[in-house]
Amino acid sequence: AQSVSQHNHHVILSEAASLELGCNYSYGGTVNLFWYVQYPGQHLQLLLKYFSGDPLVKGIKGFEAEFIKSKFSFNLRKPSVQWSDTAEYFCAVIFTFSGGYNKLIFGAGTRLAVHP
Amino acid sequence: GAGVSQSPSNKVTEKGKDVELRCDPISGHTALYWYRQSLGQGLEFLIYFQGNSAPDKSGLPSDRFSAERTGGSVSTLTIQRTQQEDSAVYLCASSQNPGQPISLSTDTQYFGPGTRLTVL
Repeated sequence: AQSVSQHNHHVILSEAASLELGCNYSYGGTVNLFWYVQYPGQHLQLLLKYFSGDPLVKGIKGFEAEFIKSKFSFNLRKPSVQWSDTAEYFCAVIFTFSGGYNKLIFGAGTRLAVHP
Repeated sequence: GAGVSQSPSNKVTEKGKDVELRCDPISGHTALYWYRQSLGQGLEFLIYFQGNSAPDKSGLPSDRFSAERTGGSVSTLTIQRTQQEDSAVYLCASSQNPGQPISLSTDTQYFGPGTRLTVL
């Protein structure tokens, strides 16, 4: 069965540290990949997405993610985090099957706490 | 409207009661999605609407759960005979474009604030 794994459930960093959040999925076919973020008390919102083309995707607020097909991964990165990046981050994958059927699965999320 | 809205924001109910949760999508958005977020878990996809039709209901956890959408706009998620394990935040999202006739869109989803349901 298809699945999406976010291995880090909680991450604690100091400001200016570099961030990498892992996301792996299990499927060898066509995928569309997303990272969503939920800041405290706010709605889920899109950080970035990958559909095709350049596997290095840049999103809002200095975030980027790299799609590595051979590793079934779509890790989220930021070179230097800020206190305002404290949030929960969700990886989501839309798996496309023959006939045009799409299935959407979210990862369990990673809580990031950035200390000043 | 400017964004996806949901009501109520909080709902506390007794076990065995029925509840209705409402979602108003962004005006003009054809696709609408319901999710459930339980404590410590990710988002569980429940159901997806294209217009008023739900091509895929397989995510609904039991036959106590149902959803409808009227006029291609507002949607209600109904939980009958609520159980304590139904306690969660129920999120709604909408996207501009519909998917293929049998399946959901790959378009970006815009989320509402959620309804926190507590079943005592």
